[in-house]
Amino acid sequence: GIQVEQSPPDLILQEGANSTLRCNFSDSVNNLQWFHQNPWGQLINLFYIPSGTKQNGRLSATTVATERYSLLYISSSQTTDSGVYFCAVARFGNEKLTFGTGTRLTIIP
Amino acid sequence: SAVISQKPSRDICQRGTSLTIQCQVDSQVTMMFWYRQQPGQSLTLIATANQGSEATYESGFVIDKFPISRPNLTFSTLTVSNMSPEDSSIYLCSVPGAGGPLTQYFGPGTRLLVL
Repeated sequence: GIQVEQSPPDLILQEGANSTLRCNFSDSVNNLQWFHQNPWGQLINLFYIPSGTKQNGRLSATTVATERYSLLYISSSQTTDSGVYFCAVARFGNEKLTFGTGTRLTIIP
Repeated sequence: SAVISQKPSRDICQRGTSLTIQCQVDSQVTMMFWYRQQPGQSLTLIATANQGSEATYESGFVIDKFPISRPNLTFSTLTVSNMSPEDSSIYLCSVPGAGGPLTQYFGPGTRLLVL
C-alpha cells in the first residue's frame, strides 16, 4: 500500500514562532488532507489539498503532487496550535484515507 | 461540515467483555468509516460501513472481532468483541463532508481502556 511519512516527528516551539511540517507519500494521489488532532483527541479537518496552495488565516498548505510531497505552514504559533498534525492521502478513485505518521507540535508560552 | 457524535466518549472495560460504540450523524451519508488509533500511533482504517450491505473490512480486521451495523443513513455501531488490553485505543467514526466526497470529518472519538 501507499506509504506516508511525516517530518519532523516532534517539534517544540516558543509561542510566536513559525513552523513547516512535511508530508511525503510514495505514490500518486488524488486526495490529500491535513488534520489537527487536539490534546482531547478531536480531529479537525484543516485542508483538502491534492495540489496547489491554500491559506486559512495563520495556516497555509502547499502540495506538489508531481514530487509527492505536501507542506503545512503555521505562522505566529499559539498554544492552541499544540497537538498532532496528520496528513492523509488516497489513491486516484479510492476514498479510503491512509494516514501519515504524524507530527507532534508543542507550543510553549 | 457534518456534526458527528459518538457514545460513549470513554469507557474502562474488563478483558473478555464486549463494548458497542455508537456513531450518529446529523445528515444522511452513504459511507461511514471506522478507525482505530492505538496509543501514540496514527489512525488505521478498520472498515467502511455502507447502508444496506455488509461492511468492508481492511486487512487485519475481521467481522467476528469488530462487527458493524448500519441500520440507516445517519447511524452506525462498532462492537469491539472479546476485548484484550491490546484493544485499548481511541475509536473514531468519520463521514465524507460537504466539501466533496473526498473530504472527511471525524467524530470526537471513544477512548477505550481494557484492563
